[in-house]
Amino acid sequence: EAGVTQFPSHSVIEKGQTVTLRCDPISGHDNLYWYRRVMGKEIKFLLHFVKESKQDESGMPNNRFLAERTGGTYSTLKVQPAELEDSGVYFCASSQEALRPPLHFGNGTRLTVT
Amino acid sequence: AQSVTQLDSQVPVFEEAPVELRCNYSSSVSVYLFWYVQYPNQGLQLLLKYLSGSTLVKGINGFEAEFNKSQTSFHLRKPSVHISDTAEYFCAVRKNTGGFKTIFGAGTRLFVKA
Repeated sequence: EAGVTQFPSHSVIEKGQTVTLRCDPISGHDNLYWYRRVMGKEIKFLLHFVKESKQDESGMPNNRFLAERTGGTYSTLKVQPAELEDSGVYFCASSQEALRPPLHFGNGTRLTVT
Repeated sequence: AQSVTQLDSQVPVFEEAPVELRCNYSSSVSVYLFWYVQYPNQGLQLLLKYLSGSTLVKGINGFEAEFNKSQTSFHLRKPSVHISDTAEYFCAVRKNTGGFKTIFGAGTRLFVKA
């Protein structure tokens, strides 16, 4: 089966611009998660979708971040406008059932805001 | 709330030597525990997990970990490392009832030298 796919793999944008990251989970996985790792620090939870609904968005840093999962398939994470502190690696993960770990991760999108 | 502390940010070791990567967690409720590995330019891959039962858990690539409830630890061990084990290792925890957020540590970089 295909794994979790993320693109782009890298994105370099200027402060104030907008970037949209995309994640395609494993087919049939209702649960989709976004995580972020700022350089050298822990991987932090951003939010969790169950199908198209946001189950938990307690980790979203602020209202410059908008996540969507239309139709319960792929998800997008938009940052608008981007700030320097948004730089990091954004990981997407999926699981078939929320109560059954583990998570299957994508390779991440490395975002650099200059 | 749960938290994870990985006690070593970097661990250099010679090939064929044993290694232990330390992980302590904090939680007021019962948890599942995980170790993930990230090879360069790849996503996180599950190494092993503790859900219940035997406290000694064996994973892929010859790694094992022991859950110690009294010391709230889940240290990762391998008796003889290879150059190919060079990677970053993440300890993670999740409540085992309700709540689907997985909490990660800051990671330990393992460098295996010839």
